Amino acid sequence: GAGVSQSPSNKVTEKGKDVELRCDPISGHTALYWYRQSLGQGLEFLIYFQGNSAPDKSGLPSDRFSAERTGGSVSTLTIQRTQQEDSAVYLCASSLPVLGELFFGEGSRLTVL
Amino acid sequence: GQQLNQSPQSMFIQEGEDVSMNCTSSSIFNTWLWYKQDPGEGPVLLIALYKAGELTSNGRLTAQFGITRKDSFLNISASIPSDVGIYFCAGQLGAQKLVFGQGTRLTINP
Repeated sequence: GAGVSQSPSNKVTEKGKDVELRCDPISGHTALYWYRQSLGQGLEFLIYFQGNSAPDKSGLPSDRFSAERTGGSVSTLTIQRTQQEDSAVYLCASSLPVLGELFFGEGSRLTVL
Repeated sequence: GQQLNQSPQSMFIQEGEDVSMNCTSSSIFNTWLWYKQDPGEGPVLLIALYKAGELTSNGRLTAQFGITRKDSFLNISASIPSDVGIYFCAGQLGAQKLVFGQGTRLTINP
């Protein structure tokens, strides 16, 4: 596609349920990033992929969070047993090499009740 | 870990005024970038800087990569209503993750 595509754009879930967030990067972009943005806050790094491997997953907040990328393209961020503090906008970005110019999707807004 | 201190956190200005914001870090970076985020959207790249001392302009925007590689500033001249939004600086060292500042929220009074 022309840009980074994320789905769903909005997700409301009950505490304790699992959620999956999907990111479809720009075609040909080898690097893919996940960031989290809480209301009115900056961007918190979660994980990045180079191809299908994740050289840096240091930002994942707990073992309830995991991410995978298959075929060097689509990535899925999974949050298990969601908690209210997981409520945020989850932003995905991709770039051609692992340098600099990240292109962001519009984000998936997660609300945990 | 690497942290970026971005200031000011918010700005309230009159249309037509110039704007200046900056980022500092305790670590060096070899890439500095400035992004703008509109409500409900993902951040969009405004300016990228790759060399210490580099001064780059993009229309009414000017940004500089500090000579120490630990700071950068962004200036917006003659602000207009569509400049409203949140501006983020970001730094990167080598192939490591991009680290973002906390953002500067710009509000413009017409």
